[in-house]
Amino acid sequence: GDSVTQMEGPVTLSEEAFLTINCTYTATGYPSLFWYVQYPGEGLQLLLKATKADDKGSNKGFEATYRKETTSFHLEKGSVQVSDSAVYFCALVTAGTQGGSEKLVFGKGTKLTVNP
Amino acid sequence: SAVISQKPSRDICQRGTSLTIQCQVDSQVTMMFWYRQQPGQSLTLIATANQGSEATYESGFVIDKFPISRPNLTFSTLTVSNMSPEDSSIYLCSVEGPGRFQAFFGQGTRLTVV
Repeated sequence: GDSVTQMEGPVTLSEEAFLTINCTYTATGYPSLFWYVQYPGEGLQLLLKATKADDKGSNKGFEATYRKETTSFHLEKGSVQVSDSAVYFCALVTAGTQGGSEKLVFGKGTKLTVNP
Repeated sequence: SAVISQKPSRDICQRGTSLTIQCQVDSQVTMMFWYRQQPGQSLTLIATANQGSEATYESGFVIDKFPISRPNLTFSTLTVSNMSPEDSSIYLCSVEGPGRFQAFFGQGTRLTVV
């Protein structure tokens, strides 16, 4: 079935460091891809998305490009801040099986800690 | 954006007992979703709850184990029945946002079964 694989965490960086969190996927057809973020004590929220190949999603300084040839959607930020400390989830929308509706499929999440 | 409140935020329960998790949304929504995140695993959809109809369960989840109520457009409950240590997980409530698959999530309920 469709699946998402994220790099293992946790990731610890110093403020202003460059961030990359790798995400690769397996899917039939052409899924839409998402990054969700969960800040401490809060619910998951959508960070960015891309719906077709070569699209770049961006928000709050984060970027991710939908790469069909490598089935990847890596999350990057040029200069992280302490406030970026959170858990990041890569996800895709897959066509439902056996006639079911489409649904989100998530990776395991990557915990990021940014130290001052 | 929707604000979702889940109760309880965490609980420690004895095996064989049941726990009901509440999810309250600050606006009316058609569909509400319940997810489970087992330790070290990704989020897995348990079921979709529409107001006024039976919940739709994903493969591997059954109503007897995870009964769901959806009495109105702003509220839902998920019960974890006859719990075992394998049910120790984070359970999350979710609703769809204005964008397709732009979901909003509650903070989650961290359940430990001993």
